[in-house]
Amino acid sequence: QKEVEQNSGPLSVPEGAIASLNCTYSDRVSQSFFWYRQYSGKSPELIMSIYSNGDKEDGRFTAQLNKASQYVSLLIRDSQPSDSATYLCAVNIRSEGSARQLTFGSGTQLTVLP
Amino acid sequence: DAGITQSPRHKVTETGTPVTLRCHQTENHRYMYWYRQDPGHGLRLIHYSYGVKDTDKGEVSDGYSVSRSKTEDFLLTLESATSSQTSVYFCAISESGQGLLVYEQYFGPGTRLTVT
Repeated sequence: QKEVEQNSGPLSVPEGAIASLNCTYSDRVSQSFFWYRQYSGKSPELIMSIYSNGDKEDGRFTAQLNKASQYVSLLIRDSQPSDSATYLCAVNIRSEGSARQLTFGSGTQLTVLP
Repeated sequence: DAGITQSPRHKVTETGTPVTLRCHQTENHRYMYWYRQDPGHGLRLIHYSYGVKDTDKGEVSDGYSVSRSKTEDFLLTLESATSSQTSVYFCAISESGQGLLVYEQYFGPGTRLTVT
């Protein structure tokens, strides 16, 4: 079992719709969770961090964390074609090595159709 | 963008040659990381540093070494490059976290390395 799992997609949504991206993780004591956006040929760009159970909103983005069920999700409201990218989930998995390391999921490719 | 630069941005080298990639930051962050990104494998940690001269191995450290003699610079060396090391390499930086928390990592622009 992968330590951080995401649906690889591709996920297609029409412009203006809500895009929902999901991530599950294996370490029950993980404390830090991040979502990155990566455009093709570019480096990952941090869009959300979340540390506590519940929802965290930033503009059109909402991160949702449920530690009991070990999942974190990202909602993108009013999706725009410019949101088309690969979204990476990252979690501090402490099964091996330092707690300061992040383990990344393999990413979900999102396409927003005009 | 966080003040992170990587050099070179592109490099083609031959099998068996040594290669050094440089990451430079202007943020004075304590932690620095080297990742590689390959299709089908995502981002994988090679080595990281938690201070000057303090480094540790990541998931895919075989064939790589690192050095950090100054806070702002983190070097990744491939002692004898192989074709399996053809990849995109990203540097990232992070401040120290509090307690069990890991703070955000910010990525550099990447280096595309091709080993022929």
